[in-house]
Amino acid sequence: DQQVKQNSPSLSVQEGRISILNCDYTNSMFDYFLWYKKYPAEGPTFLISISSIKDKNEDGRFTVFLNKSAKHLSLHIVPSQPGDSAVYFCAASDESSASKIIFGSGTRLSIRP
Amino acid sequence: EAQVTQNPRYLITVTGKKLTVTCSQNMNHEYMSWYRQDPGLGLRQIYYSMNVEVTDKGDVPEGYKVSRKEKRNFPLILESPSPNQTSLYFCASSDNYGYTFGSGTRLTVV
Repeated sequence: DQQVKQNSPSLSVQEGRISILNCDYTNSMFDYFLWYKKYPAEGPTFLISISSIKDKNEDGRFTVFLNKSAKHLSLHIVPSQPGDSAVYFCAASDESSASKIIFGSGTRLSIRP
Repeated sequence: EAQVTQNPRYLITVTGKKLTVTCSQNMNHEYMSWYRQDPGLGLRQIYYSMNVEVTDKGDVPEGYKVSRKEKRNFPLILESPSPNQTSLYFCASSDNYGYTFGSGTRLTVV
């Protein structure tokens, strides 16, 4: 039973437009959420995170939104750039077990010219 | 440079031949973890460690062992590898604000 779900295996967005990646979770104990980006032949790299006490966190072109009542988070990338083409993983943990981070199955984002 | 180093990057082995994948971090992180990545399944946690001599099972621990005798090292041991352990493995370390990952070890068991 997947606790963190990314229901879209792939997404294609035109360069310059907004990319929206979605993630749902089932465990109400999760209180810290992260997004990772992964290029082929490399390890995942941390992108942005959000604590459950917030509903939005911005870092440059990247914004993560958290809707606790819906157990849903999303990553917005605007404007999308060719270098954003990668696999994006959503992840979650709870403070009592910060070393146990659960990942989703990933969404492959392709930015087309 | 702050990093997580895992070796080897690629390994092909035969069923039943014991192997160890090494992992080392130079950031003095307390937490370390091993994940495997499989198509359609994302990253699944195998084992994690909260400090020296403190380890616990993740979601898919069967067939794996770990040890944490020193803070910087967290080797992954496959005592008797089987073909279903063919996968891409990542070691990671954390200071409690999200993991830093190594570059991965692609393991093929034939």
